[in-house]
Amino acid sequence: AQTVTQSQPEMSVQEAETVTLSCTYDTSENNYYLFWYKQPPSRQMILVIRQEAYKQQNATENRFSVNFQKAAKSFSLKISDSQLGDTAMYFCAFVGGNQGGKLIFGQGTELSVKP
Amino acid sequence: DVKVTQSSRYLVKRTGEKVFLECVQDMDHENMFWYRQDPGLGLRLIYFSYDVKMKEKGDIPEGYSVSREKKERFSLILESASTNQTSMYLCASSLTGRLNTEAFFGQGTRLTVV
Repeated sequence: AQTVTQSQPEMSVQEAETVTLSCTYDTSENNYYLFWYKQPPSRQMILVIRQEAYKQQNATENRFSVNFQKAAKSFSLKISDSQLGDTAMYFCAFVGGNQGGKLIFGQGTELSVKP
Repeated sequence: DVKVTQSSRYLVKRTGEKVFLECVQDMDHENMFWYRQDPGLGLRLIYFSYDVKMKEKGDIPEGYSVSREKKERFSLILESASTNQTSMYLCASSLTGRLNTEAFFGQGTRLTVV
């Protein structure tokens, strides 16, 4: 069975600094996608970034980038130039080719950006 | 503007009551999901539906059932509510057929069982 693990329950960062959130996963599949979702205090979950397992190039979306290490089954999220609006719960998620679209989530990391 | 709407943001129910949580999406998505969110445990999948009248159990289906009579609506039913079902419930939907498809979430329903 696939599992997703986020080992940092809470993190904090100063505004304008860079922070990295960790995620590891376990799967026997070769075809899969990984995602980072953000849940601000208002609770609406939104997609931050996604990465295809077959792509070696790390995904980037503006200030958000990932470090995807397929062999190590690691998928970390880097937030550059942190802003107060980045304060949220961040969830790492996995969907495999044999899972019919089912998203499997990690435990979440609560990020606080301090002024 | 795409939307997943959950019928209630807050609910308080009594132990033993039958509880219905409703979710509606307007994106013509085939997949719909019910997750339960608890601190330190993340989101755990309760049930998943990939088409009308089709469903699959997730990781924690015990004490829950679902109904999907129409494509846009996915209902979660707590047959006999218990205090350990006090939690945040999130509904989501996505397109089928592509692994990279984004899931869209509702605002969540905070259920308290007393």
